[in-house]
Amino acid sequence: DAGITQSPRHKVTETGTPVTLRCHQTENHRYMYWYRQDPGHGLRLIHYSYGVKDTDKGEVSDGYSVSRSKTEDFLLTLESATSSQTSVYFCAISEGRGDTDTQYFGPGTRLTVL
Amino acid sequence: GQNIDQPTEMTATEGAIVQINCTYQTSGFNGLFWYQQHAGEAPTFLSYNVLDGLEEKGRFSSFLSRSKGYSYLLLKELQMKDSASYLCAVLDSNYQLIWGAGTKLIIKP
Repeated sequence: DAGITQSPRHKVTETGTPVTLRCHQTENHRYMYWYRQDPGHGLRLIHYSYGVKDTDKGEVSDGYSVSRSKTEDFLLTLESATSSQTSVYFCAISEGRGDTDTQYFGPGTRLTVL
Repeated sequence: GQNIDQPTEMTATEGAIVQINCTYQTSGFNGLFWYQQHAGEAPTFLSYNVLDGLEEKGRFSSFLSRSKGYSYLLLKELQMKDSASYLCAVLDSNYQLIWGAGTKLIIKP
């Protein structure tokens, strides 16, 4: 299994509070991704990173920011959480972004915004 | 827009064979992935197809027809542990993965 951990695994917070989710990898992979997964939807890309301090937006980036100060860590921040951000968040990693670069997923963080 | 369609739910019997279909319309194509996801867990990689035809890997096989925008995942000799959601994802022209909503497979004894 790819060495990916996410913390926290579960979190309940209130509307308007800031929240930071952490993804940590031990594989030294260049690419890291944050997805959200909601019933009836496929995984949706929030942001991704292609190196330290190099990040780009995905299809649902509004309300989220990311940072990558070290190869192994990728942080996702909800500046002011809203109920629509209640979801399961998955981090993924890949060596590259080519056609044979499989993405491997962390265990997920279940976030509830009340 | 980009779209991937899979059946929402399927039911099959232990020991039988089931085929899970996936059709896609994307801006470009650089390969198709299948993942398995047990309830409450992370998706795990099953297969990758970029050329037309069938790829076999043990009890699981995956087929691709690029001209038809169609793939299927074939599961043989079904076991109770195969109860899970199966996710189809296409790598588009920008090398971004576009995901289907997944097919929940229920295995009955």
